Amino acid sequence: GAGVSQSPSNKVTEKGKDVELRCDPISGHTALYWYRQSLGQGLEFLIYFQGNSAPDKSGLPSDRFSAERTGGSVSTLTIQRTQQEDSAVYLCASSSPSLTYEQYFGPGTRLTVT
Amino acid sequence: GDSVTQMEGPVTLSEEAFLTINCTYTATGYPSLFWYVQYPGEGLQLLLKATKADDKGSNKGFEATYRKETTSFHLEKGSVQVSDSAVYFCALNGMDSNYQLIWGAGTKLIIKP
Repeated sequence: GAGVSQSPSNKVTEKGKDVELRCDPISGHTALYWYRQSLGQGLEFLIYFQGNSAPDKSGLPSDRFSAERTGGSVSTLTIQRTQQEDSAVYLCASSSPSLTYEQYFGPGTRLTVT
Repeated sequence: GDSVTQMEGPVTLSEEAFLTINCTYTATGYPSLFWYVQYPGEGLQLLLKATKADDKGSNKGFEATYRKETTSFHLEKGSVQVSDSAVYFCALNGMDSNYQLIWGAGTKLIIKP
């Protein structure tokens, strides 16, 4: 079966514009995660969805960031009024309910804010 | 809170050299420990894991032993290949972490032919 897919693979935007990043998890995976990876840094947790439960948004760096997961599958991460410090690779991962630590990652979206 | 500390990179080795990438952690109780790998242009993928003390995870010639006494999970390989060039991340899932993985900063490995 297909792995986790993300789109777009690259996004260049001007400061102040809004962007939407998409993640399509592995079919049957109820858990979905968004991370941010800045150059030379580790992974920064952003948000976690598990089934129909309320998402854990504790990692979102500001109220400019939001995420949705429609129908328990595809997720969209939205960044409003982008800033240069938002430039990073945004990674999505999914996992099955019984093995939440075994996360399967998408290739990421490289966001550049000019 | 829980944390993971990894050896800083980049680590540059010649083909067939012995590899060690150090990883130590801080966590309450008995976390599960992981190594993930990110090959150039690809997504992160789980390389190996160990879920209790003294367990040895292994995959693709890589090994790591869960050492509770030294709170370590060092990654080793006896003879590296150019194709092993990648960024390696150590991570843990502990009692305080719940579903979250706590990540090290990553170590870039460069293997020269």
